[in-house]
Amino acid sequence: DVKVTQSSRYLVKRTGEKVFLECVQDMDHENMFWYRQDPGLGLRLIYFSYDVKMKEKGDIPEGYSVSREKKERFSLILESASTNQTSMYLCATQETGGFYEQYFGPGTRLTVT
Amino acid sequence: KQEVTQIPAALSVPEGENLVLNCSFTDSAIYNLQWFRQDPGKGLTSLLLIQSSQREQTSGRLNASLDKSSGRSTLYIAASQPGDSATYLCAGTESYNTDKLIFGTGTRLQVFP
Repeated sequence: DVKVTQSSRYLVKRTGEKVFLECVQDMDHENMFWYRQDPGLGLRLIYFSYDVKMKEKGDIPEGYSVSREKKERFSLILESASTNQTSMYLCATQETGGFYEQYFGPGTRLTVT
Repeated sequence: KQEVTQIPAALSVPEGENLVLNCSFTDSAIYNLQWFRQDPGKGLTSLLLIQSSQREQTSGRLNASLDKSSGRSTLYIAASQPGDSATYLCAGTESYNTDKLIFGTGTRLQVFP
């Protein structure tokens, strides 16, 4: 079974803080994704990575950056957290070589006050 | 811009009913389609994947089909159970050479005993 873990289930941060969200997978998948989920807006792609040190912007990259130094780990960084970044953050992984299922982690509920 | 509509937005049914959930894309050019379920406050669980060369997939009481000519997908749940209560999301890719999924906003299902 694919296992995708996220560093925190719940996180509360203050405006202006630098925030790190981590995602780790154990299936040697090349692709990893970061989404945010908001009521009425659904899931929106922030960034994705198709290999170590490779990244591409998704639909809403503003205010975020990412890091992928090892294949199994993909980090989302909020350089200076703002209240409009309060959201549910979901990480996903996927094998390449065709289109395969995306597997999701449990999510991190981030509140910025 | 591709948009995904899921109908109905919410559904409440007694246990044992057969259900049909619908998903439609504004641009009918959909290549791969994945159905997920999401329990409150949790991540997404993959249910079924219809790859670009396929038209239908089945897993247990679930059956999903994709009509590429119209850009519509249907998830059929047979003999519903209270444990099926969750939000169901569909997501598709717009071309052969992308792994980026575009998500619908979901159908919230409640099955009561």
